[in-house]
Amino acid sequence: QVQLQESGPGLVKPSQTLSLICTVSGGSISSGGYYWSWIRQHPGKGLEWIGYISYSGNTYYNPSLKSRGTISVDTSKNHFSLKLTSVTAADTAVYFCARVGSDYSYYYMDVWGRGTTVTVSS
Amino acid sequence: DIQMTQSPSSLSASVGDRVTITCRASQSISIYLNWYQQKPGRAPKVLIYAASSLLSGVPSRFSGSGSGTDFTLTINSLQPDDFATYYCQQSYSTPLTFGQGTKVDIK
Repeated sequence: QVQLQESGPGLVKPSQTLSLICTVSGGSISSGGYYWSWIRQHPGKGLEWIGYISYSGNTYYNPSLKSRGTISVDTSKNHFSLKLTSVTAADTAVYFCARVGSDYSYYYMDVWGRGTTVTVSS
Repeated sequence: DIQMTQSPSSLSASVGDRVTITCRASQSISIYLNWYQQKPGRAPKVLIYAASSLLSGVPSRFSGSGSGTDFTLTINSLQPDDFATYYCQQSYSTPLTFGQGTKVDIK
């Protein structure tokens, strides 16, 4: 059974770079057929998709990030990561990683990490 | 971006009630619509994909319908475990977008 676990600093200073890792266990990130995604949830708010990456490295991002986000995959470590540059208080949120599975062309996030809280503050 | 609008934003219901949540897309998304359940402090859990396909292990009291721009999540005979926030999400095009959520609480 595939499980995901987010890790990274819980506190980031304004203007710095937020870096998170999502470690995949119980399966290989290289197995193909999946995308690996980051989603965030601002305090008391709804869900915002950040972007995703295929096992081969193709990436798609939410334009709302204004090109501040980079998602990469490290198949040797079976994890994928998120870097978000020039953070502000508006980036304070719970960050989730998720696997995007599919049935034919119908994609959905079928496995989620527990989430990690990131606070941007000096 | 495709905007997803859910209604109501919240509702109060009793165990055994039938609950209906609506999700409207700002443009046609065929049936590229997923439903998630989220409980406080937990990650979302997918219930339904492709508008009406129930994920394995999800109770049959959950059902989804709709196509194009209008979709519905129905919970028949609400159970105590169903009190949560529900989100719709379109997978028709990137950026993937979610509805604002519908909180179902106990009357």
